[in-house]
Amino acid sequence: AQRVTQPEKLLSVFKGAPVELKCNYSYSGSPELFWYVQYSRQRLQLLLRHISRESIKGFTADLNKGETSFHLKKPFAQEEDSAMYYCALQAGGYQKVTFGTGTKLQVIP
Amino acid sequence: KAGVTQTPRYLIKTRGQQVTLSCSPISGHRSVSWYQQTPGQGLQFLFEYFSETQRNKGNFPGRFSGRQFSNSRSEMNVSTLELGDSALYLCASSTSGRETQYFGPGTRLTVL
Repeated sequence: AQRVTQPEKLLSVFKGAPVELKCNYSYSGSPELFWYVQYSRQRLQLLLRHISRESIKGFTADLNKGETSFHLKKPFAQEEDSAMYYCALQAGGYQKVTFGTGTKLQVIP
Repeated sequence: KAGVTQTPRYLIKTRGQQVTLSCSPISGHRSVSWYQQTPGQGLQFLFEYFSETQRNKGNFPGRFSGRQFSNSRSEMNVSTLELGDSALYLCASSTSGRETQYFGPGTRLTVL
C-alpha cells in the first residue's frame, strides 16, 4: 500500500529565506505526485504536479525515485506563502489519491 | 465554470443519528472523491465514485457509504454517528480520476 510522509507539522522561516517542505513516499511503482496548498479560508487547491514539471508561484519539486522523495522548494519565501501544504500520491491506473498529514508553513515578516 | 459545491456547509448532530452530505462536481467531471479531514490525521480517503460506480474505497467502517447519480452528483451517508466522526468532509472532482482534483469548501460535521 502507498504511504506519504511529511515529517514536519510546522515549518517557520523568515521572509526571503529558502523553503524546503519535505515529502517522502513509499510505493514500488511509478507514482503520480502532487503538492496541494490550502491558504487561510480558501479551498484546497493544486500547487503543482511532478508530471508537468512547472514552477508555480516560485515553487518547484523534483521527484527523486532513489530516495523516494518529492520535496517542495522555493528560494525566497514570501509572506503570502504561509499556508498548509499537502503532498499527495496516486499509484498507477485510477487508484485512490493518498495524502500526507500536511505541513503548515509560517513565513515570518 | 462553477466550482465544486457541497451542502450543507455545517451540521450538528448527536451520537447515534445519521447524516447525508451532498457534493455537486464541476460540470463534465465524472470522478468524485470524498475525504475526511481532521487536524491530527490530515486528509483520509473515504471513497471515489466514477460513472455511478464505487471505484476505490478507503479504510473506513461500513457506517460510511456513498453513491453517485447519473448527473455525477454524489452523496455520502454516515450512520450511527460517533463523536470521532466530527470532522471536515471534503469532496473533490476530476474529469476521469487521473487529473487534478478540484475541491469543494467542505461540510463541517460536529457530533455531540
